[in-house]
Parts: sequence; C-alpha cells; structure tokens
Amino acid sequence: QPVLTQPPSSSASPGESARLTCTLPSDINVGSYNIYWYQQKPGSPPRYLLYYYSDSDKGQGSGVPSRFSGSKDASANTGILLISGLQSEDEADYYCMIWPSNAWVFGGGTKLTVL
Amino acid sequence: QVQLVQSGAEVKKPGASVKVSCKASGYTFTSYGISWVRQAPGQGLEWMGWISAYNGNTNYAQKLQGRVTMTTDTSTSTAYMELRSLRSDDTAVYYCARARRGAAPGPNFDYWGQGTLVTVSS
Repeated sequence: QPVLTQPPSSSASPGESARLTCTLPSDINVGSYNIYWYQQKPGSPPRYLLYYYSDSDKGQGSGVPSRFSGSKDASANTGILLISGLQSEDEADYYCMIWPSNAWVFGGGTKLTVL
Repeated sequence: QVQLVQSGAEVKKPGASVKVSCKASGYTFTSYGISWVRQAPGQGLEWMGWISAYNGNTNYAQKLQGRVTMTTDTSTSTAYMELRSLRSDDTAVYYCARARRGAAPGPNFDYWGQGTLVTVSS
C-alpha cells in the first residue's frame, strides 16, 4: 500500500494559521483523489473534519468551523489542511486519508501543538 | 443524531478470538457501510476493512485477510468485527466508522464509535 507522508509534528501560536501537509507518493496523482482529514484528541475517537477534491467538490463535516479548510498543491503532490485563527482547542493529532486502490490508507498523523 | 455505540473492553490470550460489536442509530443503516479502524497504543490509524450494510459485501485489508471477518445484522443495525488467532501486536483500540464504498463521492468515515480496547496478553 502507498505511504502518505505527514510531518510528525507542527506548531503555531494562537490566532496564527497552521498548514498541515499530506504528501502522496510520486506514482499517485493528488489531483485524482479525495483527501479526507480527521482530528483526534487524546482518549477520543477521530473526528471527521472535511474532504477536499477540488474547489467545486469539497465538504465540511457537521459542526466543523469554516476556519478548517482543505486544498491541494499539485506541484508538490500534496493535500493540505489549513487551520486559520488557531485556538488552544485545535491542539490534536491530524490524519489524512485516501482511497488509492481497493483499500483506505491513512497518513501517519501530525501532532499539532498550539503554543 | 447519528450514533455508533461499541461493545466494551476485552482481554484475550494469544491465539484466541475477539468479536466487537457496533450498534448504529440515527440513520438508515443499510444506506451506508461500516469500516473498522484500529489504533495500537501511541500509534496511528490502520484501516482493517469495510462491509456494506446493504448487501454484506466486504473488503478486507490485505494484511488481515484470513484472520478477520466482518458481518452485519440489519434487524438490529449492528455491525460486528471478529479477529482470530490474536497476537500481542493486535493490542489496540478498535473503532467502527460509518463509511461509504471506497470510490463514492462525498464525506466518509464521518461518524465514529467510541472505540473498544482489545488487550492481548498471556
């Protein structure tokens, strides 16, 4: 199965923006896939945040604030989760997920620290 | 509101089997599937497989083929995941999630159960 690469950690200050990345292997074109994003806090199940395929095909999870948004960087073959106006409650692990071929694949997760 | 409620924690010996349940409510059970995801202590998420609640079709992760069986009971809107020949590295929290088939558009894994800790120890 392909490996989705997420930086193990990231940090930003309250009020700033955090840009979390999910890089696909070179043999899989990010433009062809929905990228799903999940947030997980200690001791809790993952929470669905959103999916992003394109600006015209995307969806926010129920109750997820609009300051969470998705995008892609085709030049880097990467999916992006942007969190604007960071709040202390955004401190969590974030996972990306795709369906490349007959199996769901998760990234390794990024631990976001809000300083 | 959509809810997935899982069965309680289990402790099993190596070589044994475990069966975890996931009872769905708040939506039409047969309109979606259920995926199972596990998370070893301190580790990331691992997809285990998917079952259609509509027709029982399954799709298992290659790594678990032959050891895992997923079923549903539409009369009670409950999904089950059985894992056999347990090993110590199967120790994990097991989650169910509402899931569409893989290539379907739109949201996916949008609701999750609370998780079931399965500990495998002699």
